[in-house]
Parts: sequence; C-alpha cells; structure tokens
Amino acid sequence: SQQGEEDPQALSIQEGENATMNCSYKTSINNLQWYRQNSGRGLVHLILIRSNEREKHSGRLRVTLDTSKKSSSLLITASRAADTASYFCATVAYGNNRLAFGKGNQVVVIP
Amino acid sequence: KAGVTQTPRYLIKTRGQQVTLSCSPISGHRSVSWYQQTPGQGLQFLFEYFSETQRNKGNFPGRFSGRQFSNSRSEMNVSTLELGDSALYLCASSPEVAGTKFFGPGTRLTVL
Repeated sequence: SQQGEEDPQALSIQEGENATMNCSYKTSINNLQWYRQNSGRGLVHLILIRSNEREKHSGRLRVTLDTSKKSSSLLITASRAADTASYFCATVAYGNNRLAFGKGNQVVVIP
Repeated sequence: KAGVTQTPRYLIKTRGQQVTLSCSPISGHRSVSWYQQTPGQGLQFLFEYFSETQRNKGNFPGRFSGRQFSNSRSEMNVSTLELGDSALYLCASSPEVAGTKFFGPGTRLTVL
C-alpha cells in the first residue's frame, strides 16, 4: 500500500526561519495532501496537490510534487511560534478515497 | 458551516468491553472515513462510508465495525476491547471522492 514517509522526523527552528519537510511514497497517486496536527488533536488540512501539478502555494506554504521521484516537499516560510505542530503527508490513490499517512514531522518554532 | 463533530471526546473502558463512537460530518458531506492514531503505528485507515455503504476497509480485525446513517452521521464500534485499542480515533468527512478531508477533534479511547 502507499505510504508517505516524511524526512526529517523532527525539526527545531527559530521564529522567522523557513522550515522544509520532505515526503516520499511508493506507488502512483491521484493526489498528495499535507495536514497539521497540534498536540494530539484533530488534523487540519493544509494543501492538496494533484498528480498533474508540480507546485502549489497557499499563504506561507509552498508544496512541490515530483511524480518521477515520487516525492513531495512542504516549505513553511517565515515561521511563527503558532506553526509548532506535527505535519503529515498523505497520499490518495486513483479509485480510492483513503489517505495513506506518513509518520509525521514534529516542528518546533522557538520564539 | 459547523465542522466535524465527534462524541464522546474522551472514553475510558476496560478490556473485554465494547464501545461506540459517533461522528457527525459537515453538512452536505456524504463521505465519512475513520482513522486510528497510535504512537507506535501512526495514522491508520479504518474504513470509509459513502451514502450508507462501506466503500473501503483497512487492515483491522472484525472487532472493528462501522455504519453510516441516511443523514450521513456515522458510528464505529469496537467489541471485545484490547489494551492495544487505546488510541485517538479520528473521523473525517469530505464532499467528494479523493478530495480534501475535514477531520474532527477525535475521540481519545483508553482501555484499562
């Protein structure tokens, strides 16, 4: 089954710096989504990128997708303390509505 | 629109008991899916319902079951609880297949 795998696992940065997380997967996908989770609460959808898209922006977020390398990256620019959270990538296969999640990145933004 | 709601938020049960968790999707969303989150296994897909029909099921034993009602509300049931069933159970709704999922706050189940 498809499984996103984020890299690195934990990231600690100063407020104002940029944070980059990577995600790789194994099989063909319909789309890839990034979610944020604060302290074991529900997941918040950040951005969805379809398999025919290469880059997408949403506010301070930039996501890239390279289907030839089966990888994606999430960039958070000008980080804030409120960005402290776990970030998960999840893939969705064609003909399938289930999300296959990676293990997540813990990001700590130090004020 | 109100978000996805899950009840109860916290639950403590003992081994061997059964539990029912409830999820109310965003109004107009017909797809509801359930995920289990544990520190060891991460986020794992349980099942998905669309218009009262189970469309997908993850790799969980038959003790885990669910259903969806005509108003799109969903319930999941776990029978004969085991210690390993302790987890955060997340429900998500979406308006379309393979689209963005909107998650509820989760139900934290502790099995003693």
